[in-house]
Amino acid sequence: AQRVTQPEKLLSVFKGAPVELKCNYSYSGSPELFWYVQYSRQRLQLLLRHISRESIKGFTADLNKGETSFHLKKPFAQEEDSAMYYCALIYNQGGKLIFGQGTELSVKP
Amino acid sequence: DSGVTQTPKHLITATGQRVTLRCSPRSGDLSVYWYQQSLDQGLQFLIQYYNGEERAKGNILERFSAQQFPDLHSELNLSSLELGDSALYFCASSDGGGFYNEQFFGPGTRLTVL
Repeated sequence: AQRVTQPEKLLSVFKGAPVELKCNYSYSGSPELFWYVQYSRQRLQLLLRHISRESIKGFTADLNKGETSFHLKKPFAQEEDSAMYYCALIYNQGGKLIFGQGTELSVKP
Repeated sequence: DSGVTQTPKHLITATGQRVTLRCSPRSGDLSVYWYQQSLDQGLQFLIQYYNGEERAKGNILERFSAQQFPDLHSELNLSSLELGDSALYFCASSDGGGFYNEQFFGPGTRLTVL
């Protein structure tokens, strides 16, 4: 079955430190991978997706098919990055998003 | 607000009851998705509609049903409610129905079953 795993429930870093939020997936085909973010009291929103290969708010994510990972990285964390981050995948070109359990990122001053 | 809207914001009801959650998609979006977020299961896909037709189904219970109306708003009906149905229910919409189409989420309806 398709599954997304985010091993860290909580990740706490200091401002200016690098951050990496881990995401592993299980799917034998070629899924499309996403990172969604939910800031405090705001809606869940798309941060970035693999197919776009963009850098959003300084975040990047690289798809590693060998390791079935899609880790989210940022070289210098900011306090405003504190939020809940969800990794998700879609397969078979449909619209069904499969989410990981989420990682809460806390960036301390 | 031209974003996805959901009503009500909060709903408190008793076991065995039936409730209806409503979702209005963004203007122009044809596809509506329903997700359930609970502490133990996380965010789970329930069902997708595209222009009034069911497009995809997740692990949606038989006690739950949904529909999308001609004006493209959608309703999620939950019946014979159990304590375990307490969760945050999100609606999302997109202009198309495939994985190329970004899903925009609503604020959610928090359901509490007592």
